[in-house]
Amino acid sequence: AQSVTQLGSHVSVSEGALVLLRCNYSSSVPPYLFWYVQYPNQGLQLLLKYTTGATLVKGINGFEAEFKKSETSFHLTKPSAHMSDAAEYFCAVSETQGGKLIFGQGTELSVKP
Amino acid sequence: AAGVIQSPRHLIKEKRETATLKCYPIPRHDTVYWYQQGPGQDPQFLISFYEKMQSDKGSIPDRFSAQQFSDYHSELNMSSLELGDSALYFCASSPPDSGGQETQYFGPGTRLLVL
Repeated sequence: AQSVTQLGSHVSVSEGALVLLRCNYSSSVPPYLFWYVQYPNQGLQLLLKYTTGATLVKGINGFEAEFKKSETSFHLTKPSAHMSDAAEYFCAVSETQGGKLIFGQGTELSVKP
Repeated sequence: AAGVIQSPRHLIKEKRETATLKCYPIPRHDTVYWYQQGPGQDPQFLISFYEKMQSDKGSIPDRFSAQQFSDYHSELNMSSLELGDSALYFCASSPPDSGGQETQYFGPGTRLLVL
C-alpha cells in the first residue's frame, strides 16, 4: 500500500533562508509524486509534480523537488523563502495515472521577517 | 482560466440532517474526485468518477453517496449527518488522458459544519 510521510509538522525559517520540506513515500510501483500548497481557508494548489523523466522538477513560485528513488524521497526546496510562502504544504503520491492521491500529514511553513 | 467550482462554500447542518455538495469540474475535464479534510488533517480520498462511472472508492461512509452527471458535474449526498462529518470537502477534476500528465485541480472546498 502506498503511503506518504512528511517529516516535521511545522517548519520555521527566516525570510531569505533556504526552505526544505521533507517527504518520503512508499509505493509498490513507480509512483507519481506531487506537492500541493494550501493557504488558509483556501483550496489546494499544485506546486509541482513528478511523473516520469527528469528527476529534478521545477514548479511555481521558485520551488523545486528532486525524486530520489533510492531514498524513496521527494523533498521540496526553495533557495530563498518569502513571507508569502507561509502556508501548509502537502506531499502526495499516486500509483496510477489519474488515480487517487494519498496525502502526507502536511507541513506548516512559517516565515519570520 | 476556469477553475473547479464548488457549491455551497459553507454549509451548516444539524445532526441527522442531509446535505448535498456540488462540484463543477473544469470544462472538458472528465474525471472528478472527492476528498474530505478534517480539522488539522490531511485530505482523505472519498470517491472518484470517470465518464460518469465510479472509478475508485476510498473511505467513504455508507451514509454518503455520489454521482457524476451527463454534464460531468458531480454531487456528494450525505445523509444522517454526524458531528464527525464536519470537515472541508474538496472536489478535484482532471483532464482526459494526455500521456500520464494528468493533474488533479482542486476546487476551493465546501466547509461543512454539523451541529
